[in-house]
Amino acid sequence: GENVEQHPSTLSVQEGDSAVIKCTYSDSASNYFPWYKQELGKRPQLIIDIRSNVGEKKDQRIAVTLNKTAKHFSLHITETQPEDSAVYFCAASLGGYQKVTFGIGTKLQVIP
Amino acid sequence: SAVISQKPSRDICQRGTSLTIQCQVDSQVTMMFWYRQQPGQSLTLIATANQGSEATYESGFVIDKFPISRPNLTFSTLTVSNMSPEDSSIYLCSVDQGEWSHGYTFGSGTRLTVV
Repeated sequence: GENVEQHPSTLSVQEGDSAVIKCTYSDSASNYFPWYKQELGKRPQLIIDIRSNVGEKKDQRIAVTLNKTAKHFSLHITETQPEDSAVYFCAASLGGYQKVTFGIGTKLQVIP
Repeated sequence: SAVISQKPSRDICQRGTSLTIQCQVDSQVTMMFWYRQQPGQSLTLIATANQGSEATYESGFVIDKFPISRPNLTFSTLTVSNMSPEDSSIYLCSVDQGEWSHGYTFGSGTRLTVV
């Protein structure tokens, strides 16, 4: 089955700096890669996703890149703000109503 | 995107008893997924529930311990049976929106404590 590895497990950045979280996946058939943000005590919320036919996707301060050859994908957050502090999960799926496999999560702390 | 109502939000249960968690979706969805999230950990898939057929369980999870019902396209239940303190966790349901741009949406979770 699919295995998703995520690093780092914790990340501290100064407000205004960029944060990068990296993930790798094992199943070359995976073609849908969502990223979730989970604030303490709350449900995971989808923040951005990318399909395998796209190399990069941006949404304001958030961008995701995908390298299918290397089976790597990354989340980039620019101009970080204290409200970006949360746990971020990468995930991979075959899509089409198939299950989602999650990475271990990255606890991001933005220091004001 | 779909709205999921999950209940109860939390419960404290005696060991040896069972708890049934419900998820109601405001639209019809093909698949519903049940996850467990232990404190400070990632989400682990318990099973996938498709309407009209038996749920598909992941390695390490069995139907006798986590029976699932999926009577229609908007509702599912997960029962945690014969509970022990090791079952203390957050349980979340999730649905596949069926559209790439909406992804997978989660219920608010059930925080279970077994004493």
